[in-house]
Amino acid sequence: EPEVTQTPSHQVTQMGQEVILRCVPISNHLYFYWYRQILGQKVEFLVSFYNNEISEKSEIFDDQFSVERPDGSNFTLKIRSTKLEDSAMYFCASREGQNEKLFFGSGTQLSVL
Amino acid sequence: AQKVTQAQTEISVVEKEDVTLDCVYETRDTTYYLFWYKQPPSGELVFLIRRNSFDEQNEISGRYSWNFQKSTSSFNFTITASQVVDSAVYFCALSEAGTGNQFYFGTGTSLTVIP
Repeated sequence: EPEVTQTPSHQVTQMGQEVILRCVPISNHLYFYWYRQILGQKVEFLVSFYNNEISEKSEIFDDQFSVERPDGSNFTLKIRSTKLEDSAMYFCASREGQNEKLFFGSGTQLSVL
Repeated sequence: AQKVTQAQTEISVVEKEDVTLDCVYETRDTTYYLFWYKQPPSGELVFLIRRNSFDEQNEISGRYSWNFQKSTSSFNFTITASQVVDSAVYFCALSEAGTGNQFYFGTGTSLTVIP
């Protein structure tokens, strides 16, 4: 079965540094998402992306966050100046059409020190 | 307001017992989709089932079954004869046709199956 691929699997960074989390969605999918999960807590929506623009974002997704689809395959999440509370597992997801199931990547564990 | 409510935060059962995980959703759309995902200790999110709002037939897949009741806005998940490998966090989710981009997750139910 096709997979959503995320790199790196673990990222450690110092507070205030910029990080870029990378994702390769499934090739024929049109809708892309970032979610995060703080340890032991629920899966929180960050942003959805369709037709080369953000379609929806949550309150968490403030000015420190941005997403890009720089080419036909990658989908990145950038955090400009990381804070301690950004430490979480970040999941990328994609789906072929509206209301289809979401395919999730295996996540990037971000640790901000 | 929560779109998806999973009132049970943690459940423990002894192996071979049956267990039902509750999910209640809220939507004004007439067309919507409900999902269950499993998150084992390894952390990945594994798709289990997708159900659209027009299909109220219950579904069975091996030891797993789902009971969709529009009258009570519930989409409950039952594991029959539970096994240790069923230990995981289970998330219910909703996708509305009108705002089909966002995928609303419940807070999850942590299931522990004791050998």
